[in-house]
Amino acid sequence: DTVMTQTPLSSPVTLGQPASISCRSSQSLVHSDGNTYLSWLHQRPGQPPRLLIYKISRRFSGVPDRISGSGAGTDFTLHISRVEADDVGVYYCMQLTHFPYTFGQGTKLEIK
Amino acid sequence: QENLVQSGAEVGKPGASVKVSCKASGYTFTAYYIHWVRQAPGQGLQWMGWVNPDSGGTTYAQKFQGRLTMTRDMSINTAYMELTGLNSDDTAIYFCARQLLPDYYMDLWGKGTTVTVSS
Repeated sequence: DTVMTQTPLSSPVTLGQPASISCRSSQSLVHSDGNTYLSWLHQRPGQPPRLLIYKISRRFSGVPDRISGSGAGTDFTLHISRVEADDVGVYYCMQLTHFPYTFGQGTKLEIK
Repeated sequence: QENLVQSGAEVGKPGASVKVSCKASGYTFTAYYIHWVRQAPGQGLQWMGWVNPDSGGTTYAQKFQGRLTMTRDMSINTAYMELTGLNSDDTAIYFCARQLLPDYYMDLWGKGTTVTVSS
């Protein structure tokens, strides 16, 4: 299985400051069709995950442009340019290139 | 309003089976795969498999082979996930989520169904 490793596992951030989360895969996530199917999800307590980013850097509908994704191959990053109170929760990277699809362990974002 | 509505909480004894439903509304049911993802208490997310509502075809994670069955009823726009041989490790919240082909991402999630395995 493709192992997804996120760092850090916990990230205390000051409101208005930037935050970034790294995600590394145990093998390249480039699909045979040439696309890289790496998504980022956000989950608040008691709620289902919500899609933020797909195909490394494509922002899903309604996601603010202060949230962005970057990376290639096996190394990916989620960026939040200015953290807001609404951003707290757990962030997961997910790969949909190889079966079984797998998730990172999750990174808990909290406000200092 | 596009939505995935899941059935209510379930309690099952060790060795028993559970069947969870996921009713789609507000979009064309057969145009999206339905995935099932579970989350044990305080833990991360684990992908279980998908069902193609159009053809009924399925793909399961090997971990669940032999215990997991995903089906659908097109007449009522509902997908089902049945897990047999329950054990305490199956205690989790089970989410359904949709995927629009040919792209690979899950853009709409159900609220989750809590399954508790307890004797």
